[in-house]
Amino acid sequence: KQEVTQIPAALSVPEGENLVLNCSFTDSAIYNLQWFRQDPGKGLTSLLLIQSSQREQTSGRLNASLDKSSGRSTLYIAASQPGDSATYLCADTGRRALTFGSGTRLQVQP
Amino acid sequence: NAGVTQTPKFQVLKTGQSMTLQCAQDMNHNSMYWYRQDPGMGLRLIYYSASEGTTDKGEVPNGYNVSRLNKREFSLRLESAAPSQTSVYFCASSEQDATNEKLFFGSGTQLSVL
Repeated sequence: KQEVTQIPAALSVPEGENLVLNCSFTDSAIYNLQWFRQDPGKGLTSLLLIQSSQREQTSGRLNASLDKSSGRSTLYIAASQPGDSATYLCADTGRRALTFGSGTRLQVQP
Repeated sequence: NAGVTQTPKFQVLKTGQSMTLQCAQDMNHNSMYWYRQDPGMGLRLIYYSASEGTTDKGEVPNGYNVSRLNKREFSLRLESAAPSQTSVYFCASSEQDATNEKLFFGSGTQLSVL
């Protein structure tokens, strides 16, 4: 059974910092990987999807990479802003459905 | 764009009561999902429907039933609610199965069972 771990559980940084969120998997046979953002009291918004033939994806200030050999993914956020404050979750797409980590709660201080 | 719509947003039940959570999507997606989110445990899949007319169990299906009424709607029923079912429930959809597609989520239903 796939298990997904996200470290750290919480992170507080000053505005403008570059930061990295980590995600690791017990089963390195990852098919595809998605990163999500969740704002308090809201649903999840898909940020980036890395498909099996890819190693990374970029969207604006966000860059996600996937190393299948080590079973790890990172989400890099450049020049963080207070509006980036949210919980970030990664998920192994697995077969038909997703296995989620419990998330990293990010607070960007103005 | 409505996307994925869930009702109700909040619900309080007594142990043993039944209720149905409703979900509808307007994106013409084939696949729909029900997840529950508990503190420190991430999201866990309850049931999913890969296409209209099909449903399959996820990781935590006990105590729940689902109906894929048509392509747009996927409901989750609690026949006899238990305190362990206190959680936030999310409905989601994807164009095909979620292995290759982005997943779109509703805003959630916060359920408390007393």
